[in-house]
Amino acid sequence: KQEVTQIPAALSVPEGENLVLNCSFTDSAIYNLQWFRQDPGKGLTSLLLIQSSQREQTSGRLNASLDKSSGRSTLYIAASQPGDSATYLCAVRRTGNQFYFGTGTSLTVIP
Amino acid sequence: DGGITQSPKYLFRKEGQNVTLSCEQNLNHDAMYWYRQDPGQGLRLIYYSQIVNDFQKGDIAEGYSVSREKKESFPLTVTSAQKNPTAFYLCASSSDTNTEAFFGQGTRLTVV
Repeated sequence: KQEVTQIPAALSVPEGENLVLNCSFTDSAIYNLQWFRQDPGKGLTSLLLIQSSQREQTSGRLNASLDKSSGRSTLYIAASQPGDSATYLCAVRRTGNQFYFGTGTSLTVIP
Repeated sequence: DGGITQSPKYLFRKEGQNVTLSCEQNLNHDAMYWYRQDPGQGLRLIYYSQIVNDFQKGDIAEGYSVSREKKESFPLTVTSAQKNPTAFYLCASSSDTNTEAFFGQGTRLTVV
């Protein structure tokens, strides 16, 4: 069974810092990996989708990388802002059209 | 606006009652999913459906039931057999394995 781990579980940084969130998975046979943001009491908002054949994707201040062979992905957030405070989740997609989620990293950006 | 709509936002269930959570999407997606989220745990898959009139159990299907009579709709029933139903329930959809999944805003179910 696919296991997805996110480290750290919580992270607090001052505004303006660049930061990296980590996601690791045990089975490299994936279709893609998706990063989400979740605000308290809300649903998940898609941030970036990386196909298994891709190495990275960028959207604004966000950059996600994928190293399928080592089972790792990172989400890089540049010039963090208080509005970036949320929980960030990664999910890998395998055969059978299922997603496997990590437990998330709770990010707090301090003004 | 295209998207996924979950209703109600908050739901209260008495002991022994069945309740149904609604999930509707107008994205023309084939696949739909139901997840349960508990504090400190990742999202756990309850049921998913890849096509109308077909669905598969996820990791925690016991005490839940679903139907997929229309492409747009994937309701989840929490039955009285689910002993610990208090949780945040999320519905998602996607068009195929290579595209993004989109989520609704969730339903918070509380047993009273």
